[in-house]
Amino acid sequence: DAKTTQPTSMDCAEGRAANLPCNHSTISGNEYVYWYRQIHSQGPQYIIHGLKNNETNEMASLIITEDRKSSTLILPHATLRDTAVYYCIVRAIDNNDMRFGAGTRLTVKP
Amino acid sequence: DADVTQTPRNRITKTGKRIMLECSQTKGHDRMYWYRQDPGLGLQLIYYSFDVKDINKGEISDGYSVSRQAQAKFSLSLESAIPNQTALYFCATSPAERTGTNEQFFGPGTRLTVL
Repeated sequence: DAKTTQPTSMDCAEGRAANLPCNHSTISGNEYVYWYRQIHSQGPQYIIHGLKNNETNEMASLIITEDRKSSTLILPHATLRDTAVYYCIVRAIDNNDMRFGAGTRLTVKP
Repeated sequence: DADVTQTPRNRITKTGKRIMLECSQTKGHDRMYWYRQDPGLGLQLIYYSFDVKDINKGEISDGYSVSRQAQAKFSLSLESAIPNQTALYFCATSPAERTGTNEQFFGPGTRLTVL
């Protein structure tokens, strides 16, 4: 059963910000929002995670709505190498059963 | 991530054959996982292990078995391969800590084709 909903695909111009939405309306109080990405059949790569506060690291920013029912991953200056499938995953931090949906296929165009 | 390696990287086999996929890690992590990925879909958890000799079933364990004889190694076996087990298989590791990111680190994948 999918706990998150993401658009199937998105395009973004190189150098612009890529904003990837995720809906998780049934998220529980102890569940975090994780983002991973997978570049062309390579192993998925962790990007960022958060509970309720906005988070930023060297790769991206994560904006979580106040009601925690949705979030947005922001790649501030997308490059061609950011073309990948991006997965939004909801899970408790000590729950090792990570459920991947189909993700969003982001294509960064020159 | 070079810290998590998988062998073989590609394998073609026939229906009914026994296949073993190996995963090794140098990250010193206690937890290891096996996933499969079908074309156009996300990853599905097959089995996971919190420590040596600890084995837990994931979403889709039927038709698979695993072995965790050492902290650094986690092997996945298909006792009698069938064509619908054709997929991309990923191994992953994570630290045992209950705080922090608890992120998983993935290997490069093994592409298995069952004819």
